[in-house]
Amino acid sequence: DTAVSQTPKYLVTQMGNDKSIKCEQNLGHDTMYWYKQDSKKFLKIMFSYNNKELIINETVPNRFSPKSPDKAHLNLHINSLELGDSAVYFCASSQDQGTGLIEQYFGPGTRLTVT
Amino acid sequence: QKEVEQDPGPLSVPEGAIVSLNCTYSNSAFQYFMWYRQYSRKGPELLMYTYSSGNKEDGRFTAQVDKSSKYISLFIRDSQPSDSATYLCAMSRGGSNYKLTFGKGTLLTVNP
Repeated sequence: DTAVSQTPKYLVTQMGNDKSIKCEQNLGHDTMYWYKQDSKKFLKIMFSYNNKELIINETVPNRFSPKSPDKAHLNLHINSLELGDSAVYFCASSQDQGTGLIEQYFGPGTRLTVT
Repeated sequence: QKEVEQDPGPLSVPEGAIVSLNCTYSNSAFQYFMWYRQYSRKGPELLMYTYSSGNKEDGRFTAQVDKSSKYISLFIRDSQPSDSATYLCAMSRGGSNYKLTFGKGTLLTVNP
């Protein structure tokens, strides 16, 4: 069983379009994340939700809007797509075990190409 | 200065070599130091972590943290072609702070 899954795996779209990426985790974790990995492999946090509450909101254009309908799902909607949005978007989840370490489990990624 | 600096490589070594991967950081509040491994077209997966300063060994892998120098290392002994991947260091303050700050990753190729 896939622990953290994302759909779609690949997304090719034109500038100006609106698209969504979906993420689901079956690990029973309380916290979910969205990361962006650019062409140089730099992985940067965008958002995080803990029990459906937004806890991390980095400096991201407001064209990006996360939504968490329940703690097992975290979706990312992107309006008015731009060329610079082309990247791989990773979803991750974690569970605070009270040890101080927050181990994050990553999905397989969604490769977004904006033309 | 970026919070976490990592030489992106690429690094190419023969099978059996000892590999040394390093990161430096500027934020003294970091308490947990992690190494993630990312195979091509896959998501990162946690390889090892260390709390505060010291060494940790797991099979062929050794993680070292020197907080006084703000420098962390990952050593891979007897490297194998299956170790070929991008290695990302990551750091966090720990506790209820969920944010991970990643280095840029080092692409390692182990040649048979």
